[in-house]
Amino acid sequence: KQEVTQIPAALSVPEGENLVLNCSFTDSAIYNLQWFRQDPGKGLTSLLLIQSSQREQTSGRLNASLDKSSGRSTLYIAASQPGDSATYLCARLTGGGNKLTFGTGTQLKVEL
Amino acid sequence: SQTIHQWPATLVQPVGSPLSLECTVEGTSNPNLYWYRQAAGRGLQLLFYSVGIGQISSEVPQNLSASRPQDRQFILSSKKLLLSDSGFYLCAYQTGRDTEAFFGQGTRLTVV
Repeated sequence: KQEVTQIPAALSVPEGENLVLNCSFTDSAIYNLQWFRQDPGKGLTSLLLIQSSQREQTSGRLNASLDKSSGRSTLYIAASQPGDSATYLCARLTGGGNKLTFGTGTQLKVEL
Repeated sequence: SQTIHQWPATLVQPVGSPLSLECTVEGTSNPNLYWYRQAAGRGLQLLFYSVGIGQISSEVPQNLSASRPQDRQFILSSKKLLLSDSGFYLCAYQTGRDTEAFFGQGTRLTVV
């Protein structure tokens, strides 16, 4: 059974700090990995999709990497801002590319 | 451009009452459609997914059912709600297998 783990569960940092969120998964099936953010009471916003053939993707201050051999993905946030405060979720595509298996998320708080 | 609409945003229903949540996608044809539930303090659980009209796969046995009467419409239903059906329900779509997933804004269901 595919499992996705996110560490840490919660993180509080001062504004301007660079930070790394971790995501690990158990199987080696070659499928994509997607990062989302969720604001309280809201739906999920897609941040980055890393194709199985890629090692990383970048969007603005966000950079996500994928290491299939170690079963890990990291989301790097540069120069964090209070507006980055949210829960960050990673998800692996499984079931032949038709299902997302989610981690339990990292709740990030960026303080002034 | 593609958009996903989900309604209602919030719903309070008595135990034993029926349920119908609707999700529609615009701007793409034959999307993969999904219903997820997010219970308080827990991760996202895939309930149903559909790769085409009339094709519904159920991930977990439960008090709920799903239907896809039109290409871009996905409905989550129950004949009689239970207290345990309370949660945050999210609809999502992909334009195809192994592609980026996009989510609606969610429905907060409280069964009383």
